[in-house]
Amino acid sequence: DTGVSQNPRHKITKRGQNVTFRCDPISEHNRLYWYRQTLGQGPEFLTYFQNEAQLEKSRLLSDRFSAERPKGSFSTLEIQRTEQGDSAMYLCASTTGQGWHNEQFFGPGTRLTVL
Amino acid sequence: AQTVTQSQPEMSVQEAETVTLSCTYDTSESDYYLFWYKQPPSRQMILVIRQEAYKQQNATENRFSVNFQKAAKSFSLKISDSQLGDAAMYFCAYRRGAGANSKLTFGKGITLSVRP
Repeated sequence: DTGVSQNPRHKITKRGQNVTFRCDPISEHNRLYWYRQTLGQGPEFLTYFQNEAQLEKSRLLSDRFSAERPKGSFSTLEIQRTEQGDSAMYLCASTTGQGWHNEQFFGPGTRLTVL
Repeated sequence: AQTVTQSQPEMSVQEAETVTLSCTYDTSESDYYLFWYKQPPSRQMILVIRQEAYKQQNATENRFSVNFQKAAKSFSLKISDSQLGDAAMYFCAYRRGAGANSKLTFGKGITLSVRP
């Protein structure tokens, strides 16, 4: 399967712990996005990479959040000192180029529960 | 800032009937795209249909069509001949045009149930 994959699918952690999620985009896609989706809401943009460069970060991305995309391939999203408010579904999406064909393909998400 | 509003949290339709999901948006841009995404329970989000703002003709994909009213900033989705597999959350989304970061701005979504 050549779709976007995310690991783990579920993560339960205690408040104050650090967690890291991984996203593997579709191989030829140079753009990668992270979104956060809380219960009953639509996804909200967190950050965006073009190749290995992180070009935009939302103000939702506090100092406890960091994202990387080494070598422009997979990406990781780390949350330090997790809080209960971090509980959400974290979605990754990838795409290539601009214009009409710029459909974002989403992964299945990582559901984070902070106890 | 761009905003997307979906004011109906839930809708229900009888199998084989037609249903329309509403969406309004606000933007000062002239070049943008609009999308409807489907998110089935516990499954990943998939694109249903998209519309370029500069195109007057409404997009159509099989049983799915949109009613794009640019002046009113309205973008509704019509599902014809509803099927049980159409049950899902549907999100309306906005993206600025070419040359900009193509992040999506989503509405809150609407839960569609299909009655057999």
